[in-house]
Amino acid sequence: SQQGEEDPQALSIQEGENATMNCSYKTSINNLQWYRQNSGRGLVHLILIRSNEREKHSGRLRVTLDTSKKSSSLLITASRAADTASYFCATDPGDATNKLIFGTGTLLAVQP
Amino acid sequence: DTAVSQTPKYLVTQMGNDKSIKCEQNLGHDTMYWYKQDSKKFLKIMFSYNNKELIINETVPNRFSPKSPDKAHLNLHINSLELGDSAVYFCASSHLYTGATDTQYFGPGTRLTVL
Repeated sequence: SQQGEEDPQALSIQEGENATMNCSYKTSINNLQWYRQNSGRGLVHLILIRSNEREKHSGRLRVTLDTSKKSSSLLITASRAADTASYFCATDPGDATNKLIFGTGTLLAVQP
Repeated sequence: DTAVSQTPKYLVTQMGNDKSIKCEQNLGHDTMYWYKQDSKKFLKIMFSYNNKELIINETVPNRFSPKSPDKAHLNLHINSLELGDSAVYFCASSHLYTGATDTQYFGPGTRLTVL
């Protein structure tokens, strides 16, 4: 299976703490994207990092990419209860099909 | 304004029935997708269409047939429903760029339950 894996599967933290999620993938990529899914909802795009980038920031989000290790991490700083959701990484394998291969997801619970 | 909409939100039906899920996007995107999310939250691409033309078909059973009447709509018809078809189906859309996949915008999902 091409599906990537995320670690941890579930994470519970207190409001104000930082949350780090890791993603490993199997093929070479054009870019890697992170999405959030609130319970019972569709996925919302958070951030995209290209294969020639190593780090990217967006508000309280920081994403790193290590193509030599085929891994990425998502850091959410100063977490809030509203950040409670599942987080998925998705890779563009660069095969010109425009498909995304999603990871298994991390369920983040932020306790108020 | 809803960017990507799906109907129905919930669908409960008996094994063997035929059902359709509709998807519409008002973002002006060229490409639309169907994904299946199972009970373990694994999300897998099923189909994608670009300007009404099929470009991805990920070994989905023939019972699943996508139809794109125009580039703003991509419907999913499922024949002879089976218990294993129970899942949440997501429609998505994006621009099409040669050589790279852009941000995808997802609909709210259709929860299909086959009894």
